[in-house]
Formats: sequence, C-alpha cells, structure tokens
Amino acid sequence: KQEVTQIPAALSVPEGENLVLNCSFTDSAIYNLQWFRQDPGKGLTSLLLIQSSQREQTSGRLNASLDKSSGRSTLYIAASQPGDSATYLCAVSSTGANSKLTFGKGITLSVRP
Amino acid sequence: EPEVTQTPSHQVTQMGQEVILRCVPISNHLYFYWYRQILGQKVEFLVSFYNNEISEKSEIFDDQFSVERPDGSNFTLKIRSTKLEDSAMYFCASRGQGTMNTEAFFGQGTRLTVV
Repeated sequence: KQEVTQIPAALSVPEGENLVLNCSFTDSAIYNLQWFRQDPGKGLTSLLLIQSSQREQTSGRLNASLDKSSGRSTLYIAASQPGDSATYLCAVSSTGANSKLTFGKGITLSVRP
Repeated sequence: EPEVTQTPSHQVTQMGQEVILRCVPISNHLYFYWYRQILGQKVEFLVSFYNNEISEKSEIFDDQFSVERPDGSNFTLKIRSTKLEDSAMYFCASRGQGTMNTEAFFGQGTRLTVV
C-alpha cells in the first residue's frame, strides 16, 4: 500500500529565502506525482505535475524534482514571498496514469515579511 | 481557464439525512473523482468514475455512498444516511484522457457538517 510522507509538518521562513519542501513515497512504481497548494479552508490548486519518466518540472519560481528510485520528490520555491504562505501537498498516482491520488499530509509554510 | 465547480460550498445536515453534493467537472475530462478531507487529516480517496461506471473505490465508500453522472455534465456524490463522522470537506476532481493529460484538477470543495 502506497504511503506518502511530508516532513516537517510546518515550516517558517523569512521573506526572500529559497526553500525546499520534501515528499517521500514508499512504492517507487508510480506513474506521476503532483504538487498542490491549499489555502486554509479552500480547495487544492495544482502547481506542478511530474510524469514518472521526468526528472523535474518548472513553473515560475517553483521547481519540482522527482527521484523515483529513492522514492523522493522536492518542491523548490525561490525567493519566497508572504503570499506563498499555504499548505503544500504532494500526491502520487501508483496504479495508472489516471488512477487515484495518494496524498501526504502536507507542509504548512509560513513566510514572514 | 477551465475549472471544476462544486455546489454547495457549505452544507449543514441532521444526522440520518441524505445529502447530495454536486460537481461540474472540466468539460472535456473523462475521469472523475471524489475525495474527502477530515479536519486536520490527509486528503483521502473515495471513488473514481470513468465511462459511466465506478472504476475504483476505497473502503470508506460503503453502501451509504453512491455516485452518478446524470446528464453528461454533473457528477454527484450522495450520502444516504449521514453520520457525524461524515463531517468533512469533500472535493471533486477530474482528469483528461491519455498519459499526457494526467493532471488532476480539484474543485473548491463542499464543507459538510453533520449535526
């Protein structure tokens, strides 16, 4: 059974800092991995999708990497801003490209002005 | 930009009552999902739906739950007799078809409170 872990549960950084959020998964046979942002009480906004054959994806100040063999992904946020404060979730599809997503619990990021 | 829409945004219901949560997936998507998130916990998979039938369901999705795509645009989740532990945020999601269109898009959620 796939398990997704995100540690630490919370992170606080000063504005302008570059930071890395970690995600690990127990079964390396994944089809894709997706990073989401969730604001308090709100829905999930897709940030980046990495296919299993890819090593990384970039969108603006965000860069996500994937190392399937070690069961890890990272989300790199450059030059963090207070508006980046949110919970960041990673999720994997393990049984097919369009199969269910298994989520981590998320990392709550606070960027201090 | 296309989006998944869910109604209502909040629903309060008495224990034992039936509720229907509604979703309009992105129009050209073919895979549909319901997830839920109990306060402070992980987002959990409930059910996936493709080609007018359930393709996978979790152990949470028991006989009290059902899904339907009644008219080619709406996708509904029905809970027949709600329990206190059904209180959660319920998310609908959809995906396109093929290995290159696998990004899942989520709605803003319906907060269900069972009293």
